[in-house]
Amino acid sequence: LAKTTQPISMDSYEGQEVNITCSHNNIATNDYITWYQQFPSQGPRFIIQGYKTKVTNEVASLFIPADRKSSTLSLPRVSLSDTAVYYCLVGPLMDTGRRALTFGSGTRLQVQP
Amino acid sequence: ETGVTQSPTHLIKTRGQQVTLRCSSQSGHNTVSWYQQALGQGPQFIFQYYREEENGRGNFPPRFSGLQFPNYSSELNVNALELDDSALYLCASRPDRSSYNEQFFGPGTRLTVL
Repeated sequence: LAKTTQPISMDSYEGQEVNITCSHNNIATNDYITWYQQFPSQGPRFIIQGYKTKVTNEVASLFIPADRKSSTLSLPRVSLSDTAVYYCLVGPLMDTGRRALTFGSGTRLQVQP
Repeated sequence: ETGVTQSPTHLIKTRGQQVTLRCSSQSGHNTVSWYQQALGQGPQFIFQYYREEENGRGNFPPRFSGLQFPNYSSELNVNALELDDSALYLCASRPDRSSYNEQFFGPGTRLTVL
């Protein structure tokens, strides 16, 4: 499984754009990049998933360069409620015998007023 | 709201005891997984069930066991509790033929072992 590396923590202020970068140098051809958000004392929540270039939904954007060795989760105009831990995961789209989502330690985002 | 519920919310046990945690998934979600999350760490995979059979297991000892029922509910049982078992226990489910990477997590059960 591809290993991911992301910053331990980040600080921001309300209204700013936050970009969290994840490195995954050993990503396989059939791997997708997925991001989860976790609030304190809650389960992780799927945010966004992509394979290449750019994906955007109502919550975030995901930028993936051509070599796919890294990805950037972009949160536009964050608010206090975006304070959470963000996890970057890498793996195939369908279950190919790999049975687990592999979480690292994530990035703890703290949004200040 | 993910449609996945877990009970109880919190639980306190003493070392050596046994515990059963419960999860209820959405209708049609035939795959359920259990994760252990220690404080400050990401969730760690315990095992996965598909249509009532275990079909994958992480690096956890046999005293961690599970059951899945036809009504989309499941259980995690832990025997001979140890202090290090104190953690947030999460269940996650997904429907068939969906993206493996998009799973629906419950809010978790916080287990404290004294």
